[in-house]
Amino acid sequence: SAVISQKPSRDICQRGTSLTIQCQVDSQVTMMFWYRQQPGQSLTLIATANQGSEATYESGFVIDKFPISRPNLTFSTLTVSNMSPEDSSIYLCSVNSGRLRAQYFGPGTRLLVL
Amino acid sequence: AQTVTQSQPEMSVQEAETVTLSCTYDTSESDYYLFWYKQPPSRQMILVIRQEAYKQQNATENRFSVNFQKAAKSFSLKISDSQLGDAAMYFCAYRRLGGSEKLVFGKGMKLTVNP
Repeated sequence: SAVISQKPSRDICQRGTSLTIQCQVDSQVTMMFWYRQQPGQSLTLIATANQGSEATYESGFVIDKFPISRPNLTFSTLTVSNMSPEDSSIYLCSVNSGRLRAQYFGPGTRLLVL
Repeated sequence: AQTVTQSQPEMSVQEAETVTLSCTYDTSESDYYLFWYKQPPSRQMILVIRQEAYKQQNATENRFSVNFQKAAKSFSLKISDSQLGDAAMYFCAYRRLGGSEKLVFGKGMKLTVNP
């Protein structure tokens, strides 16, 4: 299985500011996924990031609010822009790996917006 | 669109006992994958078990096994000999074969293990 790291692990931010979350994988992968988990909720996919192309956003998520970079096959960033308290969530990146391409997750970034 | 339903928000089990977590899903696809993930208080999402839809044999991983009923679109998880460390949120997830490869999650179920 892939080993995934995320930075930062947690942060407290002021409303109106932006935070960039980094995701690093120990192997090359085609697709990387960014999920949001609001307090007490399940995971919701924000977007899928392919190297060398624009990210594909799910309904309800837009590039201006959640710009994503994918500069190479092992790294991606998600920026949460112009934050409000409603953005307080855990943000997780994931990749498909292994023979059955099961999806493995990073440890998550816990974000609190005041 | 595919949907995943976990109808029981919470369950509890006595240590060493067996518990079954239910999950149903809706899809028009014939080939897909199903997964159970565990999320302990640390918030790390941990893959518990996976099932390929084209396989009739139910997947098993140590104390964890599934009952996959394709016609009924049911995918339950059985935990045998429950341990205190099994206490967590459990999420059922679906992924179609090919395409975007994204996961669709159920709402999750909180499992408490009583000593």
